[in-house]
Amino acid sequence: DTGVSQNPRHKITKRGQNVTFRCDPISEHNRLYWYRQTLGQGPEFLTYFQNEAQLEKSRLLSDRFSAERPKGSFSTLEIQRTEQGDSAMYLCASSSSPGGDTEAFFGQGTRLTVV
Amino acid sequence: GENVEQHPSTLSVQEGDSAVIKCTYSDSASNYFPWYKQELGKRPQLIIDIRSNVGEKKDQRIAVTLNKTAKHFSLHITETQPEDSAVYFCAASGGTSYGKLTFGQGTILTVHP
Repeated sequence: DTGVSQNPRHKITKRGQNVTFRCDPISEHNRLYWYRQTLGQGPEFLTYFQNEAQLEKSRLLSDRFSAERPKGSFSTLEIQRTEQGDSAMYLCASSSSPGGDTEAFFGQGTRLTVV
Repeated sequence: GENVEQHPSTLSVQEGDSAVIKCTYSDSASNYFPWYKQELGKRPQLIIDIRSNVGEKKDQRIAVTLNKTAKHFSLHITETQPEDSAVYFCAASGGTSYGKLTFGQGTILTVHP
C-alpha cells in the first residue's frame, strides 16, 4: 500500500498518560498535516510540516501537543498528560506542492480514547 | 482565518434523485476547494476539487460550481445511488495557508433504494 499510513489504528489510554502516534506519508510528498476529527464534525487543522520544518501550528493546540518530522519523512504526534477531551480521531494527510495546493491524501487515522 | 459553513447537515434522497450540498467561505484569498467523501470508519477521500480560476467542473455524476464573488461553492450529485450514502465535507485552502484545509461541518447523505 503506497498511501498514507498511520499507527496505531486505535489507542486507549488512561487520563494523564502520554501517547504518541506515527504517520508515514506518501514518499514523494513534502507537505504533511495533522488534523483532529471528533464525531459529527469536519477535520480540524492541528499542524503542518513542509519537509522537516513545522511551519504552522493551530492556536487551538495545547502545549501538551507536540509534533516532529525528522528528516522530512515520517511524523510523530505526541500528546502529554492526556485529558478526556483529547478523545478523537487523529488524521494525518500528505500532499505535494508543485506550484499550488493539490489533493491531500488522508491516512486511516488513529482513534484515541482517553478513559 | 478561514471559516467554512456547510448546509444542510443531513440530506435524504431517493435513489435516482439529485443531491446538492452548499458551502460558503470567508477568506477571499482561498483558491482551492476540494470535496471529500467519508464512509463510516474510513478515511476522507477526495471526490472532486475546483480552483478559483474555474467556475464549474464535472466528473461523471458529480459536479462542483464556484461563485467567487459570492464566496460559495456547491456539490451536485445526479442519479444518486445507495453507495453514495456517506458524509461529505467541503473544504477551502489558499493564500498563505500552505495547503491547510478548513473543513465544513459535513453533510450526512442518505440515499434510499
